[in-house]
Amino acid sequence: IAGITQAPTSQILAAGRRMTLRCTQDMRHNAMYWYRQDLGLGLRLIHYSNTAGTTGKGEVPDGYSVSRANTDDFPLTLASAVPSQTSVYFCASRASETGDFSPLHFGNGTRLTVT
Amino acid sequence: GQNIDQPTEMTATEGAIVQINCTYQTSGFNGLFWYQQHAGEAPTFLSYNVLDGLEEKGRFSSFLSRSKGYSYLLLKELQMKDSASYLCAVLDSNYQLIWGAGTKLIIKP
Repeated sequence: IAGITQAPTSQILAAGRRMTLRCTQDMRHNAMYWYRQDLGLGLRLIHYSNTAGTTGKGEVPDGYSVSRANTDDFPLTLASAVPSQTSVYFCASRASETGDFSPLHFGNGTRLTVT
Repeated sequence: GQNIDQPTEMTATEGAIVQINCTYQTSGFNGLFWYQQHAGEAPTFLSYNVLDGLEEKGRFSSFLSRSKGYSYLLLKELQMKDSASYLCAVLDSNYQLIWGAGTKLIIKP
């Protein structure tokens, strides 16, 4: 079934540890995104990639890094986790970053708790 | 700054009609999306409006007025499974999505 796969589903992480959240899509979408979702707030964009080999910073990029070595994979890394990074993380993709109607498709999310 | 406003929570009765409003102030406009998100799940696409007017899709309809910076999602013949959060998002001039905090819809029997 075509879609976006995120791993792990959930994780408890000690503060100061490094963590990579994985995201893989098989829809050959050009644009990919990482969001965090916190209670009472809208989805906030962390980083994005309009096409393989390029990345950009979103609204809340500090403490996070991404890479886009190929079309399918878009991992998100927390170099040194802090409790304020406790959140639900969603990876998403769109067929095109601009122009025509192109809805976001979301992965099932990673629930991260930093203690 | 950019801003999307939606009511935090609404309650409606099974079988009834509910309208969820969304107002926006963004840098440019390239369309407005509505997403449904059940608790603990990922958002799923419901509708897209880029021109003024009403778009109908089964029990769900979405309306847009660009001059007023306003949209609404209309849900008819409410079912218990419609209990979810409804997210409004605007595609700005840089083709980035700006998200509202979502409206939690509670359906009562």
